[in-house]
Amino acid sequence: GAVVSQHPSWVICKSGTSVKIECRSLDFQATTMFWYRQFPKQSLMLMATSNEGSKATYEQGVEKDKFLINHASLTLSTLTVTSAHPEDSSFYICSARAPSSTLSREQYFGPGTRLTVT
Amino acid sequence: AQTVTQSQPEMSVQEAETVTLSCTYDTSESNYYLFWYKQPPSRQMILVIRQEAYKQQNATENRFSVNFQKAAKSFSLKISDSQLGDTAMYFCAFSRYNNNDMRFGAGTRLTVKP
Repeated sequence: GAVVSQHPSWVICKSGTSVKIECRSLDFQATTMFWYRQFPKQSLMLMATSNEGSKATYEQGVEKDKFLINHASLTLSTLTVTSAHPEDSSFYICSARAPSSTLSREQYFGPGTRLTVT
Repeated sequence: AQTVTQSQPEMSVQEAETVTLSCTYDTSESNYYLFWYKQPPSRQMILVIRQEAYKQQNATENRFSVNFQKAAKSFSLKISDSQLGDTAMYFCAFSRYNNNDMRFGAGTRLTVKP
């Protein structure tokens, strides 16, 4: 149980275009989802926290107009990188917290999406 | 703000031996959670072990155990009988009791040698 998927696993887009990444909780309802960014050989940096049905909370320094997050249902959150530039190239990871794990603070992670902007 | 420090960028261990990865953190909170996550080459994050700060007993999961020193704000991970499949990046993480987010350390790259 507690499986989180991401789609696509790898995407290449041209500079100036937008790309959408989906994060789904497959066997549980996720009240809270998180989006992280990971540069090569670096740690995970939290970008934003999204709760179903409400606006995402962005970390300081993350442009909310550039990284649009939607958490429209209890099983789906999307991250849209708008007007992508080469510096947005990175590995994006989502995670989800099920209500049962709220007290333990455990997060279930997706497999990640590699974004390359040319 | 909470910070998590992993002072060992890389470590190696011979198969079947024991290795300890260190982690320190800074917080003014009294209740919180600590985690060790493993990220193998596939980059899928896998929970290794979890510790609740209000529990004095160190958490154990099979070959993995922690040494939680609350006063020293230290949370080290011991891997016993290391296996080749343990080769991965290991991240220490902190989560406040009443807060959603999780903060990660810089990671330690562990290589298990045959």
